Amino acid sequence: GESVGLHLPTLSVQEGDNSIINCAYSNSASDYFIWYKQESGKGPQFIIDIRSNMDKRQGQRVTVLLNKTVKHLSLQIAATQPGDSAVYFCAENIGIQAGTALIFGKGTTLSVSS
Amino acid sequence: KAGVTQTPRYLIKTRGQQVTLSCSPISGHRSVSWYQQTPGQGLQFLFEYFSETQRNKGNFPGRFSGRQFSNSRSEMNVSTLELGDSALYLCASSVDRDEQYFGPGTRLTVT
Repeated sequence: GESVGLHLPTLSVQEGDNSIINCAYSNSASDYFIWYKQESGKGPQFIIDIRSNMDKRQGQRVTVLLNKTVKHLSLQIAATQPGDSAVYFCAENIGIQAGTALIFGKGTTLSVSS
Repeated sequence: KAGVTQTPRYLIKTRGQQVTLSCSPISGHRSVSWYQQTPGQGLQFLFEYFSETQRNKGNFPGRFSGRQFSNSRSEMNVSTLELGDSALYLCASSVDRDEQYFGPGTRLTVT
């Protein structure tokens, strides 16, 4: 079946660096994408989303880029902090009937050392 | 605003039993979705309910079912439990087709 995948299972950075987490998706009909952060023992936490009519969206210290031509998503975290250490998932919405059915990638574990 | 709440947080069941998990969405959210998270399969979509109707369904056997009440609260049921059903079950809510917010999950262990 179709699924969202991530390029790297782990990413290690130094505090203060910028982090880039990549994701490839396979459903060209997907029109809504979300990045989540999951810390140990907790549910996924919403970070930022983007719709397919945009190619870039910025939040606080985070930017999501969408390249529909190559079906690629990326999450950029500026000035990475130790508190950013977590597993990051991208998800695409393949829901029908105007609904929500998120397909998740396998996750990238971000480790930030100080 | 209170977040998504799930009960119970932890559950231990025996093979062959059934289990019911509960989810209370964020106030005003009408869409509730359920996901299963395991180390091997990752996060997998189970189903979505909106206004008491199942709107989307993932690829899980019929042993997995759910429902939504008029106040948007939702329950999911797993019958004839198998060892492989051990997982973290996550509920998420949204206003509609937009950002979903997740609860802390229910950790189900089947022995």
